[in-house]
Amino acid sequence: SAVISQKPSRDICQRGTSLTIQCQVDSQVTMMFWYRQQPGQSLTLIATANQGSEATYESGFVIDKFPISRPNLTFSTLTVSNMSPEDSSIYLCSVPGQEGNEQFFGPGTRLTVL
Amino acid sequence: ILNVEQSPQSLHVQEGDSTNFTCSFPSSNFYALHWYRWETAKSPEALFVMTLNGDEKKKGRISATLNTKEGYSYLYIKGSQPEDSATYLCASYGGGGSNYKLTFGKGTLLTVNP
Repeated sequence: SAVISQKPSRDICQRGTSLTIQCQVDSQVTMMFWYRQQPGQSLTLIATANQGSEATYESGFVIDKFPISRPNLTFSTLTVSNMSPEDSSIYLCSVPGQEGNEQFFGPGTRLTVL
Repeated sequence: ILNVEQSPQSLHVQEGDSTNFTCSFPSSNFYALHWYRWETAKSPEALFVMTLNGDEKKKGRISATLNTKEGYSYLYIKGSQPEDSATYLCASYGGGGSNYKLTFGKGTLLTVNP
């Protein structure tokens, strides 16, 4: 299994500002995933971040709004840009396990935008 | 587009009761079905990953079954304890080509009263 930490664990932000969420993994992984869960909704994949290449975004998510960095095999950041109250969500990073289709998740960042 | 549905949305049971939840998913382009247990402020914890029709898996008092032909999975908890209180998520791992990903349901929130 992988141990994943995220910073910050929670934040309250003003609309129009940006927040960068950090994800640190205790082992080297090629792929990292970023998810969000809006209130009352499903956990939804935002993008897949591969080290050394551009992140791949899911339908409805764009790089200008959610820029991602992946400087090495154990770390990634997700920035939520120009925030609005609709961005209030729990954001989680995730990595695949050794077994292929299993995934491990971080504890999440709970974001509230006022 | 994969739609994963979970029912009930929430459930209150008494300590010692047995309970079960349902997850339905599209059976086309299916590869695996995941169950996670998610406590507030913690990482979602993987319970089961199932791939074969008729699969039954068990971990302590929790068990799950899978029917890939009709597209549903059941999660059972025998003798519920207050520490079982959490949100239980199911996710279908599937897709096509190189675009395999986890698609989550909205979860079932279980509260076990002592």
